[in-house]
Amino acid sequence: DAKTTQPTSMDCAEGRAANLPCNHSTISGNEYVYWYRQIHSQGPQYIIHGLKNNETNEMASLIITEDRKSSTLILPHATLRDTAVYYCIATPLGAGSYQLTFGKGTKLSVIP
Amino acid sequence: DTEVTQTPKHLVMGMTNKKSLKCEQHMGHRAMYWYKQKAKKPPELMFVYSYEKLSINESVPSRFSPECPNSSLLNLHLHALQPEDSALYLCASSQDPSGFGYGYTFGSGTRLTVV
Repeated sequence: DAKTTQPTSMDCAEGRAANLPCNHSTISGNEYVYWYRQIHSQGPQYIIHGLKNNETNEMASLIITEDRKSSTLILPHATLRDTAVYYCIATPLGAGSYQLTFGKGTKLSVIP
Repeated sequence: DTEVTQTPKHLVMGMTNKKSLKCEQHMGHRAMYWYKQKAKKPPELMFVYSYEKLSINESVPSRFSPECPNSSLLNLHLHALQPEDSALYLCASSQDPSGFGYGYTFGSGTRLTVV
């Protein structure tokens, strides 16, 4: 799996957009970018994933650069409940068992 | 049912005890996983079950013994643990072992304390 690099921590004002960057400069053509978050003392929660096109769902948007070497997770209107550790993971899909390997993630603090 | 249920939520055990953690899902997922998470660290993969067969063991000590009795149930049997094994144990499932679909669904974990 490609190594990902994320800032250790970020703050965001409540109601503003939270933009969480992730660098995956060694990503392979068959590796997807997945985002998960973990709220304190809970299991990680799937947010969104993508290959090369931008993706949006009810939780967030994922912007992947054209060269696929980095991506940004956007929470459009952050709330206090979005305070969590956010993990960016690059992993191939396909034949055989795939597995998610978590890095250190970004601790996002949403501030009132 | 879109959940992964783990029991118990908390467990305290002595180093000579034998205990089991249980994980259940009724989403028809065919891959199930055990992760271990120490405080302030990311989850670390322990085991992967694919179609009820063990496919990945990440060099986990034999005092941890996984079992998958059927497609909905995953157990982790614990024996002769050490205090450093105290951690949050997370179970997850995914629709297909290939990974296509919408990622993993995690349970909320069992917080294990070894005394």
